[in-house]
Amino acid sequence: GAVVSQHPSWVICKSGTSVKIECRSLDFQATTMFWYRQFPKQSLMLMATSNEGSKATYEQGVEKDKFLINHASLTLSTLTVTSAHPEDSSFYICSARTGRTDSNQPQHFGDGTRLSIL
Amino acid sequence: AQSVSQHNHHVILSEAASLELGCNYSYGGTVNLFWYVQYPGQHLQLLLKYFSGDPLVKGIKGFEAEFIKSKFSFNLRKPSVQWSDTAEYFCAVSRMDSSYKLIFGSGTRLLVRP
Repeated sequence: GAVVSQHPSWVICKSGTSVKIECRSLDFQATTMFWYRQFPKQSLMLMATSNEGSKATYEQGVEKDKFLINHASLTLSTLTVTSAHPEDSSFYICSARTGRTDSNQPQHFGDGTRLSIL
Repeated sequence: AQSVSQHNHHVILSEAASLELGCNYSYGGTVNLFWYVQYPGQHLQLLLKYFSGDPLVKGIKGFEAEFIKSKFSFNLRKPSVQWSDTAEYFCAVSRMDSSYKLIFGSGTRLLVRP
């Protein structure tokens, strides 16, 4: 089946540093990738949608300058949390699918990245 | 507000018991419905989905779900659970007019006791 690899799985860093999370589709071309954030005991909240070669579309309330998304190839998207602070600590999950924004193809999820900011 | 509601946050069952997890959504119009499962330490996996046609959908590992449009529900069922079904289950909805973005429920943690 379709495999999505997310790296790193866990990162701890000091407040003020920037953290980059990678999301790779290993055996298919991911035209569209999604980034979610999950707080403890809550559902996954969509942060942004990115189509390969285009600027990401951010959900309401998500700071685009804080959460930089790059989707430069059909197999890789990155999320960079800039100048991270403790309130950015969370579980970040990516997903990928074929087809562009209006596609109804299923999403395939990565294992998630637990980010802890000290 | 438009949302996806999962009524049970935690469910504990013994092996061989029957399972039903509730999911309701508040969107009008045409929706696509999904159930995802997350086993401990693993990524989200698709259990089953409903796009159109027969409202009773069969998925992997003996799971099924029934779409009842009049009740805005998509409940997940399994006649006899196993210890290996211990996981967190998420209901999700997507709509064409929202670019098929997935909106997730808060999840239900299922613990099956051997």
